[in-house]
Parts: sequence; structure tokens; C-alpha cells
Amino acid sequence: SQTIHQWPATLVQPVGSPLSLECTVEGTSNPNLYWYRQAAGRGLQLLFYSVGIGQISSEVPQNLSASRPQDRQFILSSKKLLLSDSGFYLCAWSIRTSGISGANVLTFGAGSRLTVL
Amino acid sequence: QKEVEQNSGPLSVPEGAIASLNCTYSDRGSQSFFWYRQYSGKSPELIMFIYSNGDKEDGRFTAQLNKASQYVSLLIRDSQPSDSATYLCAVNDYKLSFGAGTTVTVRA
Repeated sequence: SQTIHQWPATLVQPVGSPLSLECTVEGTSNPNLYWYRQAAGRGLQLLFYSVGIGQISSEVPQNLSASRPQDRQFILSSKKLLLSDSGFYLCAWSIRTSGISGANVLTFGAGSRLTVL
Repeated sequence: QKEVEQNSGPLSVPEGAIASLNCTYSDRGSQSFFWYRQYSGKSPELIMFIYSNGDKEDGRFTAQLNKASQYVSLLIRDSQPSDSATYLCAVNDYKLSFGAGTTVTVRA
């Protein structure tokens, strides 16, 4: 069965510090990978998605970046955090399918809660 | 206009009642629609998806889709306290766009 791991679970960082969140998926190959952010009381905002190694699409301009160095590894980074970067960060994966049935069913990791002070 | 809009809630229903959640979307080309449940402090988990007009039932949950009206809903029958959570509607074009969610509280 497929599992998705995300870490760290919580972190508190000062403004201007760097960030690295990591996500790995097990039990599947060639997944689509996603980073979402959920601000307090808000919906999910898609930040990045990737359909393969080194292929990153950015949805929202910001001071965050993403990388996919391996097929099942997805990393979210920042060189200098802002207060507005606080939130609940969720990594997710989906299988790639040519058909519509079940298309883009996302499975989420447990999330990383970031507080920037 | 937001891509996906949900009734803002919160929605409070007595135990055993039907909870009705609504969602509208702006992109007529959207083809698949999802309902996720998110408990407080946890990540979302899939309840069900639907891509054909009409109803789809899974246990106590029924999703209803009307593409002409660009409307998708979720009914929770025989609501239980364990159904208390935020319900997220998601719509697929080339990516999943999520609504802000509706928080449901089931009163014992």
C-alpha cells in the first residue's frame, strides 16, 4: 500500500530564517506531487505541483520554492521566511491516469504546521 | 469570482439528522468533483468523488452533481458526532481547486 510521509510535523521559525519541509511517498512510482498551504480558517491553496523529477510548476508567486530531486521526494524551501508564511503545509500525491475515473484523487500527508515569529 | 464556493457555515445539526453541504464552481469544463473531510488539526481525507450527473451513494454519504447548474452537494444521513469536521469541496480542471470548507457540528 502507498504511504506518504511529511516532516517535520511542527516548527517555529524566526522571520528571515530558512525553511525546508520534506515529503516522501512509498509504494508507488511516478506520482504527481503537490504542496498546499492552509492558513488558519482558510481553504487549501496550491503552491506547487510536479509531474516528474525536476519538473515543478508554481501556482502562486511567493518566496517559496520546491524541488523534486527523486521520483518520490518533494521538498519545499524558503531562503527567508516571512510572517505571512505561517500556516499548515500539506504534501499530497496522486497517481497519473489517462482516464477520468478517479482522476486526481489526492492523498495527503499528515501536514507540517509552521509558525513564523 | 472564486473558483469553488461553499456555503460558509458553520452548520449545526442534531444527531441522526441529515446534513446538507453545497458547493458551486465557476469552470464549466471541470470534469471531476471531490469531497474531503478534515478534522481539526488534521489533514484532509477523501470521502468520495463524482464525475457523472446525478447521485452517488457511499454508506451514509451521497454526492449529487448537476453540471448544468455547476453545483455539487454532499448529504450526510443519520449524522453522528464523529461527523463533526470541516468538509472541503474540490473541483478538478488541470489541478484541484478547493473551497474554503464548511464546518459541521453534530449535536448529541
